[in-house]
Amino acid sequence: AIQMTQSPSSLSASVGDRVTITCRASQGIRNDLGWYQQKPGKAPKLLIYAASTLHSGVPSRFSGSGSGTDFTLTISSLQPEDFATYYCLQDNNYPWTFGQGTKVEIK
Amino acid sequence: EVQLVQSGAEVKKPGESLKLYCKASGFSFTSHWIGWVRQMPGKGLEWMGIIYPGDSDTRYSPSFQGQVTISADKSISTAYLQWSSLKASDTAIYYCARWYGNPYYFDYWGQGTLVTVSS
Repeated sequence: AIQMTQSPSSLSASVGDRVTITCRASQGIRNDLGWYQQKPGKAPKLLIYAASTLHSGVPSRFSGSGSGTDFTLTISSLQPEDFATYYCLQDNNYPWTFGQGTKVEIK
Repeated sequence: EVQLVQSGAEVKKPGESLKLYCKASGFSFTSHWIGWVRQMPGKGLEWMGIIYPGDSDTRYSPSFQGQVTISADKSISTAYLQWSSLKASDTAIYYCARWYGNPYYFDYWGQGTLVTVSS
């Protein structure tokens, strides 16, 4: 199975900060990667698909990049509603696999 | 409006069986894969498997193969996740989600079902 190594596992940041989260695949997955945001007690929500395409309705401060094995989710200016846990998911090969998650907390 | 409505919370004893449902509406159930995702208490998301209700093609994560059964009844637009013998380690929230398909992503999610297995 493809392993997705996500880092950091948590981070503290302030409103307005630029935040970067990375996912590294154990083998090449082209751009078959999505990013999801989960808030406590809620189902995950799609932010980015195909590594860099912003899902409809998602604020433009979110962006994704990467291809092959290394991927990045960037929040250009962190907003109060962005404090959540973020996961990457590869769908290149079964079994699909999530990263371990990155919890973004308020500094 | 696309909706996935899941079963209510369950409290079961080890060894008991359980079948969760995920009732779909607002889209063609037979044209989209439906996936299941586990989240153990305080932990991350785990992809369990996925089914295409159109022909019941099902794929499992090796971690869950043989431990659960994913099925679907297209006559009532409902997907299922079932156990024949629960363990305490099955305590988790279980989500179903629709796989959009080209482009590829989980776009709609159920509200999640909390399963508690305790003696």
